[in-house]
Amino acid sequence: QKEVEQNSGPLSVPEGAIASLNCTYSDRGSQSFFWYRQYSGKSPELIMFIYSNGDKEDGRFTAQLNKASQYVSLLIRDSQPSDSATYLCAGEGGGADGLTFGKGTHLIIQP
Amino acid sequence: GAVVSQHPSWVICKSGTSVKIECRSLDFQATTMFWYRQFPKQSLMLMATSNEGSKATYEQGVEKDKFLINHASLTLSTLTVTSAHPEDSSFYICSARSDAEAQYFGPGTRLTVL
Repeated sequence: QKEVEQNSGPLSVPEGAIASLNCTYSDRGSQSFFWYRQYSGKSPELIMFIYSNGDKEDGRFTAQLNKASQYVSLLIRDSQPSDSATYLCAGEGGGADGLTFGKGTHLIIQP
Repeated sequence: GAVVSQHPSWVICKSGTSVKIECRSLDFQATTMFWYRQFPKQSLMLMATSNEGSKATYEQGVEKDKFLINHASLTLSTLTVTSAHPEDSSFYICSARSDAEAQYFGPGTRLTVL
């Protein structure tokens, strides 16, 4: 059974600091990984995806993937209060599979 | 780009009635659409995957006769909750994907069954 694990938090980070969110997955067949941000009562919005080992940067966000360790992370630089949300990690097995989501990490950026 | 809409955004219905939720990709053709359900303080759970013109693939534990999915075109998928009951009250979210691109989510439909 595919599982994606995240620490539910809350993770509290001061404004301007780097927020580090982590995720592990059980299915070695998972090919692609996604980070979504979800505000309370809203649907998820895509931040970025990664499918190759290493780092991928997009603005203030950096996703990291280590397939050997089955580990995915998201770094948010220069954290802003508006980054406060639940961050969902999801894995996809390729083809037409849907996403397997973790339970999300609640991030709080303290002004 | 990559805008997905859902309608209605919220619905309240009586137990035993059926509710239809529409999911549309507005600026791209979605080869695959997905339906998720999210209960309060829980993560999204995939219900089914649908490809245009073919039958939906349901996840284990999801009743296909209760949750009817139709993917009539490359821009429209519908989910019908038949004979809804209070335990079906949830946040239903669709997503759409074009080929190998990421999934983009609709804004969700909050269903409350009285």
